[in-house]
Amino acid sequence: QTVVTQEPSLTVSPGGTVTLTCASTTGAVTSGYYPNWFQQKPGQAPRALIYSTTSKHSWTPARFSGSLLGGKAALTLSGVQPEDEAEYYCLLYYGAYWVFGGGTKLTVL
Amino acid sequence: EEQLVESGGGLVQPGGSLRLSCVASGFTFSSYEMHWVRQAPGKGLEWVSYMSSSGSIIYYADSVKGRFTISRDNAKNSLYLQMNSLRAEDTAVYYCARLVGVSWAFDYWGQGTLVTVSS
Repeated sequence: QTVVTQEPSLTVSPGGTVTLTCASTTGAVTSGYYPNWFQQKPGQAPRALIYSTTSKHSWTPARFSGSLLGGKAALTLSGVQPEDEAEYYCLLYYGAYWVFGGGTKLTVL
Repeated sequence: EEQLVESGGGLVQPGGSLRLSCVASGFTFSSYEMHWVRQAPGKGLEWVSYMSSSGSIIYYADSVKGRFTISRDNAKNSLYLQMNSLRAEDTAVYYCARLVGVSWAFDYWGQGTLVTVSS
């Protein structure tokens, strides 16, 4: 069974920088897993932020960026805003199925 | 404006069936691949099923294989999820989401429809 692992929770100060990661039990995450990242706030549907590892949607704020880091997919928030407090999910593609990470609850404090 | 609207959720007894619908607007539905994703109360997101733009390629998560059937009617701009042999663990908000195939980008999501399996 394929498992995708994220940090359960992270805390960052307003204006700070934080990196969330996404690991796969199958081994190193590469661009071939087409990592997607999503933001979800309570009571709302997920909102897409990043696709294909590094690409941003037209609505994605510039402070969000995606990358590969140490065999994992990564989402970096630079200059964090209070409204960035949310749950963040990564999604990896395995050819005939997709797997979401368990989510990272980001607290801005 | 691209929009996805799910419907068909509700309360159903264990072993029962339900059919979810997702109606698309604001884009050429027949050109896009589509997914169903669910989220149990207080839990994370779980990928459920995928269908190609033509309907010729279908994938399912192991947790629903053999019980759920994805389908689409491009003439009606609609995606469906037929759910049979429902279990308590199928209780979740079900979302439809659009996939841009070339870049494997999930972009637009519906607001979700709640399915509750309980006696």
